[in-house]
Amino acid sequence: EVQLVESGGGLVQPGGSLRLSCAASGFTFSSYSMNWVRQAPGKGLEWVSYISSSSSTIYYADSVRGRFTISRDNAENSLYLQMNSLRAEDTALYYCARDSPLTNGVGLDVWGQGTTVTVSS
Amino acid sequence: DIQMTQSPSSLSASVGDRVTITCRASQSISSSLNWYHQKAGKAPKLLIYGASSLQSGVPSRFSGSGSGTDFTLTISSLQPEDFATYYCQQSYSSSPTFGQGTNLEIK
Repeated sequence: EVQLVESGGGLVQPGGSLRLSCAASGFTFSSYSMNWVRQAPGKGLEWVSYISSSSSTIYYADSVRGRFTISRDNAENSLYLQMNSLRAEDTALYYCARDSPLTNGVGLDVWGQGTTVTVSS
Repeated sequence: DIQMTQSPSSLSASVGDRVTITCRASQSISSSLNWYHQKAGKAPKLLIYGASSLQSGVPSRFSGSGSGTDFTLTISSLQPEDFATYYCQQSYSSSPTFGQGTNLEIK
């Protein structure tokens, strides 16, 4: 079964840091680009970051550029999101999502269940 | 960033109805448009990619059309499991963006 499982969320104070992880299984992780997408409570979806299969290409949303770092370990079938200088507006459910090879550009065909990040003092 | 605007923001319909949701891009995105739905408490699910291609496993009552700036998602005959929030997403740029969502409710 194709599966993505996020972890690492929690409560952090403004200005703090958190590292999210996403464990992939059931497919050849090293062949797929991956993404992080977030959803603030009661709000819509916001794409956060993209990383290509070999980590050679990385993109960030303007709202997180310079504060968040995406990375991956293909040997460990894992995706990461290092989040620094966290703000209240980063509070959200963070999803790990696989990039479909069928779409032109980012298309998200497999999603995890999400991990919750709360930034509050 | 490319802005995506969906209409309507909410919609009430009955089982068996034909429903259409519209998505407009702030600039031309060719056919680089995907549709998802999200049920309460669940992760989104890809329905349509490339504006009109049905994702594997998605029922054929879902269809998409459009190119350039204007796109539509049509559900030919609503089923109980289709009541959810629907999102469009452009994949044209290296900064993908979603529409604000359309909440499809039971009438």
